[in-house]
Amino acid sequence: DVKVTQSSRYLVKRTGEKVFLECVQDMDHENMFWYRQDPGLGLRLIYFSYDVKMKEKGDIPEGYSVSREKKERFSLILESASTNQTSMYLCASSLGTTYEEQYFGPGTRLTVT
Amino acid sequence: GQNIDQPTEMTATEGAIVQINCTYQTSGFNGLFWYQQHAGEAPTFLSYNVLDGLEEKGRFSSFLSRSKGYSYLLLKELQMKDSASYLCAVRDGDYKLSFGAGTTVTVRA
Repeated sequence: DVKVTQSSRYLVKRTGEKVFLECVQDMDHENMFWYRQDPGLGLRLIYFSYDVKMKEKGDIPEGYSVSREKKERFSLILESASTNQTSMYLCASSLGTTYEEQYFGPGTRLTVT
Repeated sequence: GQNIDQPTEMTATEGAIVQINCTYQTSGFNGLFWYQQHAGEAPTFLSYNVLDGLEEKGRFSSFLSRSKGYSYLLLKELQMKDSASYLCAVRDGDYKLSFGAGTTVTVRA
């Protein structure tokens, strides 16, 4: 069974803190993605990775960075959390460049106070 | 940029049919996906269209017209468990998906 897991379901951090969100997939997928989901805006792509140590900016990369040291793990880093980064963060993975759909993790609800 | 539009909300009665429209204007096109997302849960894949026409999968069907930049998701024989958000997404390259804001469908008894 396909599985994407995220390290936390809920997280509360203070403004200025460095925040790490972890995502692990057990499907040997090449591609991994980080989105944020906000009411009325839908899912917006922050960063994605198509191979280990490779990364590409998505539509809203400002204030975020990522790390992919191993194929199964993709980390999202908020260098200095701000209140406008309060959101639901969803990780996804997909097999390759063909028709394959993305599989999503359960999400992390991050609140920055 | 990418522009993907779908209605915000729809309400229908159990047993009825609902059609969720999606229009898109994107810099490229490499397939259109529909996902279902129940409140508090992860989106799950429903359908994929890359060629014009209708794809049927049980109670759910999806249609695509590339020349019109238009797709719809048809939900038949609605059940209470179909109450969810439905997300339209366009793949405009090899990897990236651009999502619409989602349509919340409420099924009433």
